[in-house]
Amino acid sequence: SQTIHQWPATLVQPVGSPLSLECTVEGTSNPNLYWYRQAAGRGLQLLFYSVGIGQISSEVPQNLSASRPQDRQFILSSKKLLLSDSGFYLCAWKRAGDRNTIYFGEGSWLTVV
Amino acid sequence: GDSVTQMEGPVTLSEEAFLTINCTYTATGYPSLFWYVQYPGEGLQLLLKATKADDKGSNKGFEATYRKETTSFHLEKGSVQVSDSAVYFCALSWNTGFQKLVFGTGTRLLVSP
Repeated sequence: SQTIHQWPATLVQPVGSPLSLECTVEGTSNPNLYWYRQAAGRGLQLLFYSVGIGQISSEVPQNLSASRPQDRQFILSSKKLLLSDSGFYLCAWKRAGDRNTIYFGEGSWLTVV
Repeated sequence: GDSVTQMEGPVTLSEEAFLTINCTYTATGYPSLFWYVQYPGEGLQLLLKATKADDKGSNKGFEATYRKETTSFHLEKGSVQVSDSAVYFCALSWNTGFQKLVFGTGTRLLVSP
């Protein structure tokens, strides 16, 4: 069966510090991968998606970047965090092809102080 | 562009009450529709989905019917339990391409004993 894991689950970072959130998917190959953010009191917003190694698309301009160094690994990064980067970050995956369900990881709570 | 509108929360109910959470969408054509649930401190889990008009998705006693005439996908449950307390997200996605999920803002459900 397929599983998705992301870490760390919780982190508190000072403004201006770097960020790295990691997500891995097991039990499938060539998945579509996604990073979503849920800001306090708001809905989920798609940040990045990837259909293959090294292929990253950004949905909204922001202080974050994403990378996919391996087929089942998706990393969310920032060089210098802002207070507005605080939120709940969710990694997700979907089997390539149409009409397939998107599955989410456990989420990572980021608080920038 | 595509959008999903959910009723404002929180929705507060007593155990065994009937639940309805309204969801309407705006899209060109007929997307797939989803309900995701987020329990406290956890990531999103797919609750149910419907991929075409008049389909009914169901799971764990929850149901939602894809109504193209009213562009709606209301979530219902006949008798809620305390364990159903969570945030419920309505979402749409197209069946082709990388399938970006467009989410509503979420509705918090609080069920008291």
